Amino acid sequence: KNEVEQSPQNLTAQEGEFITINCSYSVGISALHWLQQHPGGGIVSLFMLSSGKKKHGRLIATINIQEKHSSLHITASHPRDSAVYICAVHPYGGSQGNLIFGKGTKLSVKP
Amino acid sequence: DTGVSQDPRHKITKRGQNVTFRCDPISEHNRLYWYRQTLGQGPEFLTYFQNEAQLEKSRLLSDRFSAERPKGSFSTLEIQRTEQGDSAMYLCASSYRAGASNEQFFGPGTRLTVL
Repeated sequence: KNEVEQSPQNLTAQEGEFITINCSYSVGISALHWLQQHPGGGIVSLFMLSSGKKKHGRLIATINIQEKHSSLHITASHPRDSAVYICAVHPYGGSQGNLIFGKGTKLSVKP
Repeated sequence: DTGVSQDPRHKITKRGQNVTFRCDPISEHNRLYWYRQTLGQGPEFLTYFQNEAQLEKSRLLSDRFSAERPKGSFSTLEIQRTEQGDSAMYLCASSYRAGASNEQFFGPGTRLTVL
């Protein structure tokens, strides 16, 4: 079992729909990242959070440390949101350099 | 553009050849990371530097792989005697803030294809 699990693996939505991507992890963490990867490979950091909730534009990320779970929400989805969304965690007390990544959720938003 | 840059973006090589990739981090960042990502998988940690010191190497980094950051600025990742299994996207990231919760900024990656 991977230490970081994401669901769903693939997600197709219609433009305008509310989207939720989930991330569960099995290790203690000091921080969790949500990343966006477009075709071609480039990765953009969306959020880094260790508690509560963060919002940036149409994106909202929440984390429940006790339940070891985080969600990424996209409101009013748009075709340009189509990408792979990756959850990554910093293990607590682990190497300061080492992120553990989920396999990603491939989102496709249809017009 | 002051983001993380990587060169080349694509590399096709024949099995057995050596390849070298370069990463230029954001200029004030003291930490630099290398990751590898195979198709359909999330990235996997390879190694990271704080300034010029290589502080950790993953077990994924076999003896055919070597990384350097000689002056604490750009870094190179060399793969000797490439194998088909080395085909992957090689990602570089950098960060500034010390501590476990530092935010990493990623480069566009170098896609390696070994024929």
